[in-house]
Amino acid sequence: EAQVTQNPRYLITVTGKKLTVTCSQNMNHEYMSWYRQDPGLGLRQIYYSMNVEVTDKGDVPEGYKVSRKEKRNFPLILESPSPNQTSLYFCASSWTSGGAGDTQYFGPGTRLTVL
Amino acid sequence: SQQGEEDPQALSIQEGENATMNCSYKTSINNLQWYRQNSGRGLVHLILIRSNEREKHSGRLRVTLDTSKKSSSLLITASRAADTASYFCAPSPTGANSKLTFGKGITLSVRP
Repeated sequence: EAQVTQNPRYLITVTGKKLTVTCSQNMNHEYMSWYRQDPGLGLRQIYYSMNVEVTDKGDVPEGYKVSRKEKRNFPLILESPSPNQTSLYFCASSWTSGGAGDTQYFGPGTRLTVL
Repeated sequence: SQQGEEDPQALSIQEGENATMNCSYKTSINNLQWYRQNSGRGLVHLILIRSNEREKHSGRLRVTLDTSKKSSSLLITASRAADTASYFCAPSPTGANSKLTFGKGITLSVRP
C-alpha cells in the first residue's frame, strides 16, 4: 500500500531537548516536504527536498533542520525545541513539487507539544 | 510562494444541501488541486483541474476554474455528514520547479 509514515504520532517534550520526527515513503517519490499546521494559520511549509541530498527552506524554516540521505526518508530535526514549535506536523511526498499536477501524499501527522 | 485563499473560512449546511467553496490566487498557474482534511489527519487529494480546463467532475464533486478571474470553486452536491472536514485549494504556479502551496482552508460542517 502506498503510504507516508511518520513517527512518533504524538510527542510531549521539554524546551531544549533535541528531537527527531521521522518520515518515510514507499512510493519512490523524489519530492518530500514538511509542513506545520496551526489554528488560523493553515498549512505552512518548513522545508522541502527535490531529491536526495537536495533540500531547501520553505516559508518557516527557523528552528528546524532536515536531511535527505536516501530517497525514502526525510527526517525533521528540532535541535532545541521551544514552546512556539508546539504544532501539528505533516510530512508529504510526490513525484515532483507540483507543477506537473502530481498528487501530494500526506502522512498521518505528528502532534508535538513543547513545554 | 503563492497560496490560494479560500472563502468562506467556515461553512455550515444541512445534510442534503450543496456546499460551494471558493479559492482565489494571484499568479498564473499550471493546475489547481483541492484537498480534504478530516480533523487532525493528513490531507487527502480530491481533484485536480488543469489551467486549460474549465470544469471537472468526480462523483459528487464539481470543480470549476476561471483563469481570467484567477479563481476556482469546489461544489459538493447532496452533502452528507461524512463530508464534514476542512478543504484546501492548492494552486501550482507556472515556472520551473513550481511548488504546490496550501492556504488556510475552509471548515465545512454538515449537520445531520
